[in-house]
Amino acid sequence: QVQLQESGPGLVKPSETLSLTCSVSGDSISGYYWSWIRQPPGKGLEYIGHIYNGNTNYNPSLKSRVAISSDTSKNQFSLKMNFLTAADTAMYFCARHRYGMGSDVWGKGTTVTVSS
Amino acid sequence: DIQMTQSPSTLSASVGDRVTITCRASQSISSWLAWYQQKPGKAPKLLIYKASTLQSGVPSRFSGSESGTEFTLTISSLQPDDFATYYCQQYSETWTFGQGTKVEIK
Repeated sequence: QVQLQESGPGLVKPSETLSLTCSVSGDSISGYYWSWIRQPPGKGLEYIGHIYNGNTNYNPSLKSRVAISSDTSKNQFSLKMNFLTAADTAMYFCARHRYGMGSDVWGKGTTVTVSS
Repeated sequence: DIQMTQSPSTLSASVGDRVTITCRASQSISSWLAWYQQKPGKAPKLLIYKASTLQSGVPSRFSGSESGTEFTLTISSLQPDDFATYYCQQYSETWTFGQGTKVEIK
């Protein structure tokens, strides 16, 4: 059974960089799309970006501040987002997406608050 | 960028009702559309992918259809466990989500 677990700081100061990691257990990260999605409090889902076999794709509105990478030796992938503001306060989810089949496995999410 | 316009934003219904939620894409996405259900404090759950294929384990009262760039999620007989928020997602290019539809108890 595939499981995803997000980890990272719950509190980040404005203008600083957020680093989150998604650890994958139960399957190899090779051969799937791995994505980051966020949800501000009380709002809808926002796609951040994804990585597939080292190739990345990002939400154009976040592209200048975001980088997603993967580490096959650790079976995990990561998100870095810089120049944070209060608008980046959200629940951050990682998810597995199978080609053509939607995001079928999700982490439980991690809350990130941007505040001084 | 492909925009997804989802409607309605809120829907009030009773147990046993037939419920439909619509997403319209700003351009062709072929059938690369998924539907998710999300309950408060939980991660989304995949219901349907490729517009009309039911994810394994999802009750058959959920169904999806498409007509051009308009996609519909139908719940044939609403059950108590179905009161939640539903999102569409296109994954044709640079994925985007619809704004969500909250299904409330009438």
